[in-house]
Amino acid sequence: DAKTTQPTSMDCAEGRAANLPCNHSTISGNEYVYWYRQIHSQGPQYIIHGLKNNETNEMASLIITEDRKSSTLILPHATLRDTAVYYCIVIRDRAAGNKLTFGGGTRVLVKP
Amino acid sequence: KAGVTQTPRYLIKTRGQQVTLSCSPISGHRSVSWYQQTPGQGLQFLFEYFSETQRNKGNFPGRFSGRQFSNSRSEMNVSTLELGDSALYLCASSLRTGSSYEQYFGPGTRLTVT
Repeated sequence: DAKTTQPTSMDCAEGRAANLPCNHSTISGNEYVYWYRQIHSQGPQYIIHGLKNNETNEMASLIITEDRKSSTLILPHATLRDTAVYYCIVIRDRAAGNKLTFGGGTRVLVKP
Repeated sequence: KAGVTQTPRYLIKTRGQQVTLSCSPISGHRSVSWYQQTPGQGLQFLFEYFSETQRNKGNFPGRFSGRQFSNSRSEMNVSTLELGDSALYLCASSLRTGSSYEQYFGPGTRLTVT
């Protein structure tokens, strides 16, 4: 699976959009970009995933560049409850099993 | 719909002991995966069970084992505990194996080995 690079941390103002970048320059054609987040003392929570088209759900939007080498997770109106570590990962959809590996992620602090 | 539940939530054991952790997946989910999370190593995959069969295994020693029951509930066991086994153990369930379906994680069991 391709390796991802994310900033270590970022701050965001409550009510504003939070844009979280992720670099995955070695991604291959059959690999998906997944985003999870982990709020302190809880298990990881699935947010969104995509292959090459932009995706949106009730939690966030995912923008994938045309060359698929990077993506941005957008939290449209950040709240204090969005304070968490956000993980960007790349996995093959048809990989045997559902094994995930998270690296360091981006620690997002939403401030009032 | 109830989420993934894990028991116990916290556990303290001493070196050399063994421990069993339990996971109940979301109703209807047949795949259960186990992960170990530590500050230094991040999230690491242990193994996955689907329909009572181990489908995939991570790079952990044989002291780590698991099983899945016919109702999809799963247990993992760690024998001869070492200090380095102190970690948050997470269970995740999903509808099927080998697909793009998202995994739903439980709150985890925090194991401390002294």
